[in-house]
Amino acid sequence: QLQLEESGPGLVKPSETLSLTCAVSGGSITTSDYHWGWIRQPPGKGLEWIGDIYYSGSTYYNLSFKSRVTISVDTSKNQFSLRVISVTAADTAVYYCARHRRGLSWDQFDYWGQGTLVAVSS
Amino acid sequence: SSELTQDPALSVALGQTVTITCQGDSLRTYYATWYQQKPRQAPMSVLYGEHNRPSGIPDRFSGSNSGNSASLTITGAQSEDEADYYCQSRDSSGNYLIFGGGTRLTVL
Repeated sequence: QLQLEESGPGLVKPSETLSLTCAVSGGSITTSDYHWGWIRQPPGKGLEWIGDIYYSGSTYYNLSFKSRVTISVDTSKNQFSLRVISVTAADTAVYYCARHRRGLSWDQFDYWGQGTLVAVSS
Repeated sequence: SSELTQDPALSVALGQTVTITCQGDSLRTYYATWYQQKPRQAPMSVLYGEHNRPSGIPDRFSGSNSGNSASLTITGAQSEDEADYYCQSRDSSGNYLIFGGGTRLTVL
């Protein structure tokens, strides 16, 4: 059974960098059929896609983050990571990592981590 | 367009049928995927592609697509179906993923 687990600091100061890692177990991150994504959810609000990475390193980012976001992959450790620079209180959210299946005209996040709350506060 | 619109809240009597809708221009080209999220849990997909239910999802969940709209129908709603439901698709360029604002479903 595939499992994903987010890890990283739960508190980040404003203007600093948020860094999270998603460890994948029970399957290989290099499987060609899948992308790997990050989604966040501010408290009491809806879901927001942050971006995706393929094991080769190809990335897609939500343009609303305006180059603040970097997603990287480490195939040797079977994990991928998220980095958000210059954070503000608006970046306070539960951050999820998920496996992304991409069809010709559909997408599905079929496995999710449990989510990790990151608060931005001084 | 880069938006998917959902009604914020709906209610349904136990055992009755409810339809949750999602509207957006990109739905003319791309299918919606539907996620169910219960409090303090990660979302879970309940429908994807044209009419695909992931393993373990009851067949009371079904979907339809028409023009710029996608619908998730729960036939014979159960108390365990009370949750937030989100639609997700791509933007019109096809490169970026977008979520609807979510619909909170209450089962009365």
